[in-house]
Amino acid sequence: GDSVTQMEGPVTLSEEAFLTINCTYTATGYPSLFWYVQYPGEGLQLLLKATKADDKGSNKGFEATYRKETTSFHLEKGSVQVSDSAVYFCAQGDFNKFYFGSGTKLNVKP
Amino acid sequence: GAGVSQTPSNKVTEKGKYVELRCDPISGHTALYWYRQSLGQGPEFLIYFQGTGAADDSGLPNDRFFAVRPEGSVSTLKIQRTERGDSAVYLCASAGGLGTDTQYFGPGTRLTVL
Repeated sequence: GDSVTQMEGPVTLSEEAFLTINCTYTATGYPSLFWYVQYPGEGLQLLLKATKADDKGSNKGFEATYRKETTSFHLEKGSVQVSDSAVYFCAQGDFNKFYFGSGTKLNVKP
Repeated sequence: GAGVSQTPSNKVTEKGKYVELRCDPISGHTALYWYRQSLGQGPEFLIYFQGTGAADDSGLPNDRFFAVRPEGSVSTLKIQRTERGDSAVYLCASAGGLGTDTQYFGPGTRLTVL
């Protein structure tokens, strides 16, 4: 069935380090792909999305490219900040049903 | 309102009791979703409404769970004969409508079944 698998955390980085959080998906159709972020004490927020193969979503310095050939949607940021510390969720879906990964906690140290 | 709201924020109940969880979506959003999130896990889809009707309820775990959205706005998730395994954070999200896939999440209701 449809699912999302993302790398386990926590991921601990120093400020200004490069970030990659891996995400792969299985789908019977052609879903949209998403990254959501949950900051401490807050609700889930959409970070970025891509709706078709080869699309790149970007926001706040984060990027992810919809790779149909590898069924992946890895999240990257060139230089993380302490304020990026949060839990990141990869998700896939269409209009009626969405599947989320288990989340990756990111800790950024000054 | 400005965002999706959920009440109560916390609910503690005893095993076997009935609970109702409420979701107020963003005004004008026709799509509404319920999810359940257990500790250390991502949200798990429960049910999707388009307007007043449940377009997909395949995620409801069993017949103790039921959700309604009688006027196409506020939704209530109802859990009968609660069990300790029902303890989780229940999330609600809304989206602009058919053809829109960006969901906006509420803060969740933390349900604890003793």
